[in-house]
Amino acid sequence: NAGVTQTPKFQVLKTGQSMTLQCAQDMNHEYMSWYRQDPGMGLRLIHYSVGAGITDQGEVPNGYNVSRSTTEDFPLRLLSAAPSQTSVYFCASGDSFEQYFGPGTRLTVT
Amino acid sequence: DAKTTQPNSMESNEEEPVHLPCNHSTISGTDYIHWYRQLPSQGPEYVIHGLTSNVNNRMASLAIAEDRKSSTLILHRATLRDAAVYYCILGYGGSQGNLIFGKGTKLSVKP
Repeated sequence: NAGVTQTPKFQVLKTGQSMTLQCAQDMNHEYMSWYRQDPGMGLRLIHYSVGAGITDQGEVPNGYNVSRSTTEDFPLRLLSAAPSQTSVYFCASGDSFEQYFGPGTRLTVT
Repeated sequence: DAKTTQPNSMESNEEEPVHLPCNHSTISGTDYIHWYRQLPSQGPEYVIHGLTSNVNNRMASLAIAEDRKSSTLILHRATLRDAAVYYCILGYGGSQGNLIFGKGTKLSVKP
């Protein structure tokens, strides 16, 4: 199993640009989520999904959209990037009581 | 969500046991206690979880106080690879609920 994969690993955007961070898992997990981690901080939950077609907001959802059309994929869209969205983004999927995290995407917005 | 309190940082010597404390005085009866760790430049990884009884796995042990208001993650023999930020989190977790991360404890391991 590849586990949780994220692309790209690094991205630089200009203010106002949009982009999609990709996340995929091959463990057939119903639960998936997106977190952001700012320097020296813990992770904060952006959005999560408990199955295909079902998404909900986490702690810091503003400026981000998600959709879940398949069990495997859970993309995160930045509609109009802002410098405050400079962060490392982690995707996770969950099974029973354990969550598996991807390697992260480091995003810089200038 | 119930809150946890952890020391900001701890130091350990290699090959010695490490006891990482976590206070959670407002824990509810249905909250599991989860521990994750994050190695430098990596995503978090699951360490262990428990509800009421002490738990052991290949990575660590989890000791839970009888009143469940505190718990301790025990690394039996620290290695340099155990240097990480350790997060104590309450909730269902996994596929049954969201994990809300605090700032965790940064563990340094000295050779």
